[in-house]
Formats: sequence, C-alpha cells, structure tokens
Amino acid sequence: GQQLNQSPQSMFIQEGEDVSMNCTSSSIFNTWLWYKQDPGEGPVLLIALYKAGELTSNGRLTAQFGITRKDSFLNISASIPSDVGIYFCAGYDAYSGAGSYQLTFGKGTKLSVIP
Amino acid sequence: GAGVSQSPSNKVTEKGKDVELRCDPISGHTALYWYRQSLGQGLEFLIYFQGNSAPDKSGLPSDRFSAERTGGSVSTLTIQRTQQEDSAVYLCASSFYPQQGLAQYFGPGTRLTVL
Repeated sequence: GQQLNQSPQSMFIQEGEDVSMNCTSSSIFNTWLWYKQDPGEGPVLLIALYKAGELTSNGRLTAQFGITRKDSFLNISASIPSDVGIYFCAGYDAYSGAGSYQLTFGKGTKLSVIP
Repeated sequence: GAGVSQSPSNKVTEKGKDVELRCDPISGHTALYWYRQSLGQGLEFLIYFQGNSAPDKSGLPSDRFSAERTGGSVSTLTIQRTQQEDSAVYLCASSFYPQQGLAQYFGPGTRLTVL
C-alpha cells in the first residue's frame, strides 16, 4: 500500500522561529493537503495543493507540492504559541485505482512552541 | 456556515455493548468519510460514502463495524459487541468532490472508551 513518511515526528522551537516539516510518499500523488489538529479537536484544513510545483500561502503558512509529485513541505514563519498542535500531511493517488478518493495520512508532526 | 458535527462528543461503554456514533456533514457535501484515530496515531480510514453509490467499506476492521448514510446526509457508525481495542477517537469528514477538489473537512470527533 501507499506509504507517507512525515518528518520530523516532533519539534520544539522558540517563539518567533521558522518551522519546516515535510512528507514524502512511495508513489505519485496528485493532491496534497495539510491539516492541523488541536487537542480534543478534529483536523482543520490549512492548505490544499493540486498541481506539481504549486506554492500556496495561508497567512504565515506556506506549502509546496514537490515537482516529483512524491513530496510536499509546510513552512510556518515567525511561530507563535497558538501554532502548537499536530500537523498532518495527506495525499491522494489518482492512479491507485482505489476509486473512493481515499486520502493517505502521515503520522503527524507534533509542534511545541516555547514562549 | 455550519461545519461537520458529531455526537456524542464522548462515549463510555462496557465491553460487549453496542454503540452508535452520529455524523452530520456540511450541507450539500456529497462525500462522507469515517476515520479512526488511536492515541498519538494518524488517521485510519474506515468507510466512504459518495452520493447514491455503494459505500467503500474496505477500511472497516471487522464485521462488528457497520455504517449507513440516510438520505445522502446524516451517517451513523455502529460498533457491535465493543472490545477494548475499539477505544479511539472516531472522526467524520465530508467533502464536495469534484467541485471543491478532494479537501475533506472534519468534525470534532467522538471519543469512545470501552471499559
């Protein structure tokens, strides 16, 4: 089956620092999504990417769809305490034949921000 | 507008009992997904509904799990004869494919504890 490797698993940063996390897949994806999950809540969609090479920003967040279509990264600039949470990448492989538009999720990056 | 809602938010049950979890998707969304998230883990796909098509049940872990979607809207996930390993957060998501791409929008989840 499809594999999504998300790294790092966790990170501790100082408030104000920039953050970078990434996902790599074992197969070509044609959609990449980035979610954030706060404790006790469901994942919230941050950024959706649909085209290889696409670079999209949402406030202090920037995500890119890798040109190989097997990776994506998320950057957070000037981190603040409310950035704390778990960030998940998710991808969709149109060629898997699943037919149900299943997303494959990474295991998440747990971000801690030190004030 | 209103997001995805789920009820109950928490459910504690005894081993062997049946439970029903409810999901109200975003109005007009044609696709509905159920996921399971164990403590500190990523999301495990369970089942997918799209319009009037037959559901994709490929992620259901056993025949104790079933789901239905009535009238193309509300969905109920039923777990029969619950086991302790069923304890997890059950997340529901909906999407408006293809008009809004493959982005899925999640509810807050139902935390199930089987004693």
